[in-house]
Amino acid sequence: DADVTQTPRNRITKTGKRIMLECSQTKGHDRMYWYRQDPGLGLRLIYYSFDVKDINKGEISDGYSVSRQAQAKFSLSLESAIPNQTALYFCATSPRGNEKLFFGSGTQLSVL
Amino acid sequence: GESVGLHLPTLSVQEGDNSIINCAYSNSASDYFIWYKQESGKGPQFIIDIRSNMDKRQGQRVTVLLNKTVKHLSLQIAATQPGDSAVYFCAEKAREYGNKLVFGAGTILRVKS
Repeated sequence: DADVTQTPRNRITKTGKRIMLECSQTKGHDRMYWYRQDPGLGLRLIYYSFDVKDINKGEISDGYSVSRQAQAKFSLSLESAIPNQTALYFCATSPRGNEKLFFGSGTQLSVL
Repeated sequence: GESVGLHLPTLSVQEGDNSIINCAYSNSASDYFIWYKQESGKGPQFIIDIRSNMDKRQGQRVTVLLNKTVKHLSLQIAATQPGDSAVYFCAEKAREYGNKLVFGAGTILRVKS
């Protein structure tokens, strides 16, 4: 969905490096999410935010941190990347009171 | 149906036939269900949703059926087209999950021309 933009689309990094994945949206939604997708597994929630002052851990938050800089921006950081964080990462948004998620196109991250 | 692991279930159908993709969900208290389609290189896209107070909902060429007795959800696609080839995910929402969506592993749909 072009209204949810993730950068970069692809990233290769080395073990131990700190990296940031960025997400911006023009949908005006309050809620933003970061998911991780591994081959053969469903989407797993890393962190989510219901507004600028709200940050919540998802089911697999260890090794990650987030920042909600503005309503439209939600970034995901890997403090010290490790190979098992190699995955496809998705940002998503939803309006308040609506469960439906709108996803970005994903960032493929490879940690060597 | 859905499964966890490296090998997703695959459904192969002939173009023009109807497709039925199944999903067994885990929580009897789930009150909302949703189907997403994910094409190669793209993010998941919403297809259709249904609340637990309904057992059937129809969209354009798609129908979702909910059987709460056996905790089963299905997505029916009529007159399947090559553009329907994708991975399909179901997701459920329950208060136990903090009212957030929990996704299944997905089913690959391949449409043969």
